[in-house]
Amino acid sequence: DAGVTQSPTHLIKTRGQHVTLRCSPISGHKSVSWYQQVLGQGPQFIFQYYEKEERGRGNFPDRFSARQFPNYSSELNVNALLLGDSALYLCASSGTGNLGYTFGSGTRLTVV
Amino acid sequence: DQQVKQNSPSLSVQEGRISILNCDYTNSMFDYFLWYKKYPAEGPTFLISISSIKDKNEDGRFTVFLNKSAKHLSLHIVPSQPGDSAVYFCAATAPYSGNTPLVFGKGTRLSVIA
Repeated sequence: DAGVTQSPTHLIKTRGQHVTLRCSPISGHKSVSWYQQVLGQGPQFIFQYYEKEERGRGNFPDRFSARQFPNYSSELNVNALLLGDSALYLCASSGTGNLGYTFGSGTRLTVV
Repeated sequence: DQQVKQNSPSLSVQEGRISILNCDYTNSMFDYFLWYKKYPAEGPTFLISISSIKDKNEDGRFTVFLNKSAKHLSLHIVPSQPGDSAVYFCAATAPYSGNTPLVFGKGTRLSVIA
C-alpha cells in the first residue's frame, strides 16, 4: 500500500525561476496539506486542500500557490524563487474525519 | 510568535533509561496534540497523539502526558533504544474549532547512547 509520494526528491533552481512540486496522497485520502521545513525549524503550514478546494493558507507570500486535482493529487508552485525558499517541502494527506496526517519524504529544494 | 515551543534542542539518554521530551504551547484553542519522529532524508512519522479531554495516552513504550492548565505536554519513552535516535516534533491543532493545520515546535534531537 503506497504512502504519500512526492516528486522530485531533490531539486536545484536559480533565483527568479519557478518550481512545481508534486504530491500523491494515500489512496482514499481527500485532504492534502503542504508544509515548508527550513533547517533547524519545525515544518510550517503553507496550504491545505480538501476535495479540490483550498481550506487554509499559512503566512506565505502570493508567490506560493497550489492546487488539487480530481484524483486528489496536488501541486505546489513557487514563482520568483528566493534564496530563502531553500527548504524541505513536505506534503501530508489525511482521510475524512481523520486527525492523523501522513507525511511524504519531502522534496529538498535548493535555490542558488 | 511561537505557539508551540520545544525548549530543549537536544537530549542524550543512555540505552534502557527513560527519555522525556517536553513541549509547551500558548494557544488555548489547541485541543489535539501529536508527536512525530523524523529521521534524516525522511518525512515526519506519526508516533502518538492525545486529545485535550485526556491527560495521558499510552502506546507501547511511548506515553504522552498533557497538563492543560500548564499548557504543557511531554513524551516519555521507556526503555529508550538506539533506534529511537531521531528528531522529535511536537505539533498542535484545533480540529474541533474547524482549524486543522498542524503547528509544529522546532524539534528536539534525541540521541540514545548504547
